[in-house]
Amino acid sequence: EVQLVESGGDLVQPGGSLRLSCAASGFTFSSYTMHWVRQAPGKGLEYVSAISGNGDSTYYANSVKGRFTISRDNSKNTLYLQMGSLRDEDMAVYYCGRGQIGTLLALMDVWGQGTTVTVSS
Amino acid sequence: DIVMTQSPDSLAVSLGERATINCKSSQRVLNSSNNKNFLAWYQQKPGQPPKLLIYWASTRESGVPDRFSGSGSGTDFTFTISSLQAEDVAVYYCQQYYRTPYTFGQGTKLEIK
Repeated sequence: EVQLVESGGDLVQPGGSLRLSCAASGFTFSSYTMHWVRQAPGKGLEYVSAISGNGDSTYYANSVKGRFTISRDNSKNTLYLQMGSLRDEDMAVYYCGRGQIGTLLALMDVWGQGTTVTVSS
Repeated sequence: DIVMTQSPDSLAVSLGERATINCKSSQRVLNSSNNKNFLAWYQQKPGQPPKLLIYWASTRESGVPDRFSGSGSGTDFTFTISSLQAEDVAVYYCQQYYRTPYTFGQGTKLEIK
């Protein structure tokens, strides 16, 4: 079964850091571009970041550029999102999503259940 | 940025009736070289992650019931549920994956009348 399981969400103070993980199973992880999408409480979906299958290409939304870093460890079938300088507006459920092979296009056919990041003092 | 605007924001439809959601993009999301519209529809039920239903504007994802369909091209798109079932209560989002930043519509909340 194809599955994505996020973890790492927590309560963090403004200005703090956090690393999210997304463990993949049931497919050849290294072949697929992976994405992060977030959803603030009661709000819609916001695209965050992408990384190619081999990790050579990345993309960040302007709202997180310079503060977040996406990475992956294909030997562990795991995707990461290192989040820094966290702001109130970063508070959200963070979803990882499986993209396509060979392209950063954000067409996501498998999603994890999400992990919650709360930013508060 | 390509702005995706859905209408209506909410919709109440009787069981067995048709539900229609519109999505308009501020720029064309049609790639003229392959004649594909880079437009997807997702369903999100309460407390659950989004689920891909439709991609390339009209291609149904594997396992998605055929009462769900998508149409349109260029900047104007439509998502239709031909006969609403109780389990279709959800928020539906359109999304363009044509150009970064990839953007979603604001969502349409579908309820039973």
